[in-house]
Amino acid sequence: GAVVSQHPSWVICKSGTSVKIECRSLDFQATTMFWYRQFPKQSLMLMATSNEGSKATYEQGVEKDKFLINHASLTLSTLTVTSAHPEDSSFYICSARDPWSNQPQHFGDGTRLSIL
Amino acid sequence: DAKTTQPPSMDCAEGRAANLPCNHSTISGNEYVYWYRQIHSQGPQYIIHGLKNNETNEMASLIITEDRKSSTLILPHATLRDTAVYYCIVRVGSGSARQLTFGSGTQLTVLP
Repeated sequence: GAVVSQHPSWVICKSGTSVKIECRSLDFQATTMFWYRQFPKQSLMLMATSNEGSKATYEQGVEKDKFLINHASLTLSTLTVTSAHPEDSSFYICSARDPWSNQPQHFGDGTRLSIL
Repeated sequence: DAKTTQPPSMDCAEGRAANLPCNHSTISGNEYVYWYRQIHSQGPQYIIHGLKNNETNEMASLIITEDRKSSTLILPHATLRDTAVYYCIVRVGSGSARQLTFGSGTQLTVLP
């Protein structure tokens, strides 16, 4: 079945650093991928929709200059947290589905980001 | 997408069936019911989905009431590894590329 791979699984870095997270669809092409964020003891919240070949669509309250999304190929979307600060520490998760099949959306295993 | 209501937590004895309810009284005719679960510190895992007929796969069974206003996810023989947060999501179209909107879910704890 469809599989979504996310890398890295966890990262710890200093405040002010920019961090890139990759999301790959392993056996299908995804024109759309979704980026979610999850704080401790809370549910997943959609941050943005990544569209291959065009600009991402951000949810209200999510800063597009802070969370840069690039979807340059049909199998890869990246989320870059620019100038990360401790309040950006969270669990970031991507998802995608094969638009040419009846497969449901699948999720990556998430990236645990800790900013010191 | 229609809103769903789930109990915040449930316990189940290992080896017994776990029955997780979901209320979606405002569901419309073209909306599907999806179930995902999230084990601690992992991404959500797809379990099952259905429109109006009951569905069964290797993981679980989905029972949807005739009026489609509620559903129940059944894990027939719960194991400790089934401890997770279970999310019931209602969304238009099984082939839709739209995002999934997550509620609070049900924390299922399987007890030894």
